[in-house]
Amino acid sequence: DTGVSQDPRHKITKRGQNVTFRCDPISEHNRLYWYRQTLGQGPEFLTYFQNEAQLEKSRLLSDRFSAERPKGSFSTLEIQRTEQGDSAMYLCASLTRSYNEQFFGPGTRLTVL
Amino acid sequence: AQRVTQPEKLLSVFKGAPVELKCNYSYSGSPELFWYVQYSRQRLQLLLRHISRESIKGFTADLNKGETSFHLKKPFAQEEDSAMYYCALRSAGGTSYGKLTFGQGTILTVHP
Repeated sequence: DTGVSQDPRHKITKRGQNVTFRCDPISEHNRLYWYRQTLGQGPEFLTYFQNEAQLEKSRLLSDRFSAERPKGSFSTLEIQRTEQGDSAMYLCASLTRSYNEQFFGPGTRLTVL
Repeated sequence: AQRVTQPEKLLSVFKGAPVELKCNYSYSGSPELFWYVQYSRQRLQLLLRHISRESIKGFTADLNKGETSFHLKKPFAQEEDSAMYYCALRSAGGTSYGKLTFGQGTILTVHP
């Protein structure tokens, strides 16, 4: 286990298409977070899971966005009917059980044409 | 609402000079504050947290509740310190536990 992984690393899509990203957290990390980062800004919280339960969703997460974490392991973030404003880096992070450190993945860079 | 402000987008210093990256926050409760760093082509990683009061790679940060600040300091900057630095605040309780609120980031460039 070498850390949080995300797939794909890059995604280019046309406006109106659906995209899905995957995040594999560090084993046994029960909390998983999704953030979005646009150019020149810090990461912004989107949603998080404790095990398989989605406990909070940001107002940034419109109804075109959906996230799941089946069985409390990996998570997926789907964006339906993508818009150019969805272009960003999507980051995933998982949190140790001791709540001391949040480990980030490398991110998925989405470009919507 | 919680907010983190990093007033400088860019900071340039010469090697060996002191460096201070500013961070101010607003939060109604008792804050947990962090500095994250992102080196070129690497992922975001934790640099230090206020609660542990440690020094990492020569960096320190002191939480000043009166001024609501958590500035990052290093007495002698090195070229390898060049990176993007983010100050972040963590929600302490309730259903939002663990959620990080980030500042906009400061790009530090250390010139030889």
